[in-house]
Formats: sequence, C-alpha cells, structure tokens
Amino acid sequence: QKEVEQDPGPLSVPEGAIVSLNCTYSNSAFQYFMWYRQYSRKGPELLMYTYSSGNKEDGRFTAQVDKSSKYISLFIRDSQPSDSATYLCAMTINAGNMLTFGGGTRLMVKP
Amino acid sequence: KAGVTQTPRYLIKTRGQQVTLSCSPISGHRSVSWYQQTPGQGLQFLFEYFSETQRNKGNFPGRFSGRQFSNSRSEMNVSTLELGDSALYLCASSLDFDSGRQTYEQYFGPGTRLTVT
Repeated sequence: QKEVEQDPGPLSVPEGAIVSLNCTYSNSAFQYFMWYRQYSRKGPELLMYTYSSGNKEDGRFTAQVDKSSKYISLFIRDSQPSDSATYLCAMTINAGNMLTFGGGTRLMVKP
Repeated sequence: KAGVTQTPRYLIKTRGQQVTLSCSPISGHRSVSWYQQTPGQGLQFLFEYFSETQRNKGNFPGRFSGRQFSNSRSEMNVSTLELGDSALYLCASSLDFDSGRQTYEQYFGPGTRLTVT
C-alpha cells in the first residue's frame, strides 16, 4: 500500500461546478501538506501549502487538512476549463524537503 | 523573478550510456531537490541538496547521483542507463528558511524528458 493514496480519476465536471479532490495518507508524521497542479508536459505548479490541521483559502481554492482522519482535500469553486489538469497532493514531515506525492487525479472541466 | 530552469528539455540516449541533467533554482533558493516522474510510479524523490551537501536521499540505486555548486545550481547524473530510466526528471527549489522560519514550499521546473532506447 502506498503512503499517500489519491483517486486517479479522471474526474469530469461541467464548468462552474464545485470540485472536491482528496488524498488519504498512512504516515501520521506528515505535517506539511501541498497541492500541485500539473498541465500536460509541464512541471507541477504549487497551488496551496498548509501546515497541520485546518482550512486555508486562496481565491477559488480551499485546502482542508484533517490529521485525525489522515485526510486532505482541495476544493475548487466555479471550476473553469482552464482548471483541467492533473492535481497532485504532496506532504512532508518536519525533516527537510523530501515530498511524498499521491498518484494524481486527472480533472476535466467541460465548457 | 525567473522560475526554475532545467536543461536540456528533451534527451534521447541509448542503454548503457550516461546522462547529466542541469537545474538552475530560483534566485535566492538554496535547496534543490530532484524527482523522477513516470506513469507507473508517479513522482518519486531522488535526492535533495542544500549548501552543496546532499541532505536527503530517496530509494534509488547508486547509478543516480547529483551535486550542487556554490551558486546553488545542481546537476544530476545517471550512469549505465536502463530502459526503465525513461522518465520526466523534475527539479524543485526551495527557499528553506524565510525570516527565520522553516519553509517547505517547493517550486518545480518544467522537467527534462529522458528517453532511453
């Protein structure tokens, strides 16, 4: 079993929908959580960065961390076709910059 | 500020050869990490360099090596290439400390796509 699990999708939604992307993890030592967006043939782009449990909002994006359930989420409001990409969750313990990634969820937003 | 740059962007090599990939981090960033991305395994951590020293290492064979220079630029080398080394190799840079606070945000370059034939 992988340390970080992520539904690979693809997840297909209509434009304007609210999207929920999720990851579960097994290592309770993870403390820092990130969401990346990766377009085809590009490097991952950092979207959100959170520490420990709680919510963080940035524009149309909201990241949630529930450490007690070992579950993190990314919500995208008013989704746009330009949001179509693969979304990767990543996390690290307080020991340097070794990120452990989920497998990624492919999102398609239809006009 | 310029982002992370990686050269070359595409590379085709033959089994048994060796390859060197280069990464220039964001100005001021001192930590450089390398990742391998494949369809089957996803993104996997290779190693991280900080102030010219390897600080962390993932579970890859010794054929994979790297180094960092005094200007924070980094190179990774793969010797005796195998077909399974075909992948997108990504470099990420991090500030590491910002105003005395440890940070973990990593910013990725576009990657080098290596094909081994």
